[in-house]
Amino acid sequence: TQLLEQSPQFLSIQEGENLTVYCNSSSVFSSLQWYRQEPGEGPVLLVTVVTGGEVKKLKRLTFQFGDARKDSSLHITAAQPGDTGLYLCAGSTRNTGKLIFGQGTTLQVKP
Amino acid sequence: KAGVTQTPRYLIKTRGQQVTLSCSPISGHRSVSWYQQTPGQGLQFLFEYFSETQRNKGNFPGRFSGRQFSNSRSEMNVSTLELGDSALYLCASSRDITSGANVLTFGAGSRLTVL
Repeated sequence: TQLLEQSPQFLSIQEGENLTVYCNSSSVFSSLQWYRQEPGEGPVLLVTVVTGGEVKKLKRLTFQFGDARKDSSLHITAAQPGDTGLYLCAGSTRNTGKLIFGQGTTLQVKP
Repeated sequence: KAGVTQTPRYLIKTRGQQVTLSCSPISGHRSVSWYQQTPGQGLQFLFEYFSETQRNKGNFPGRFSGRQFSNSRSEMNVSTLELGDSALYLCASSRDITSGANVLTFGAGSRLTVL
């Protein structure tokens, strides 16, 4: 059974702090995606990484895919209250609609 | 362009009843996937349909079923509802590509409460 473990599960920080969320698995994924979900809404895709060692930046967010394609991290620099939400990593082994999701990291950024 | 539309957004049912949820994908998207989201289990894959055929299935009992129509719209049905079926049911659509990563666009979900 493929599993994705995210850590930490909960994170409460002050505005301006940096943080990193981790997503780990014993399985190899062909691609890994990060989503953010706000209350009452569905997850919204932030980024997709497909190459081992790949690093992608989206403004203050930096995403990294592990060399072995088993793990990923999301780093947020100078967090803002608007970053508050549930962050989900999701892995895929085939080009289908079946994604394996991590449990999610609930981030609260206090002003 | 219009996003993924799910109806109804909220519904309340009692144990033993059945429920049908609907999903209209983004125009041109032929793949529709369904997920169940609960606080304890997170997002769990239910099934995926492509061109009216179930292509993948998660580990849910037979009470959970779905179908896809020729216009790519999809429905899922849960029969003999149990308290544990209370959840946010999310539908996602994608274009279905043959290389690279398939990007899913999620709807806002249908929140089911079973009393």
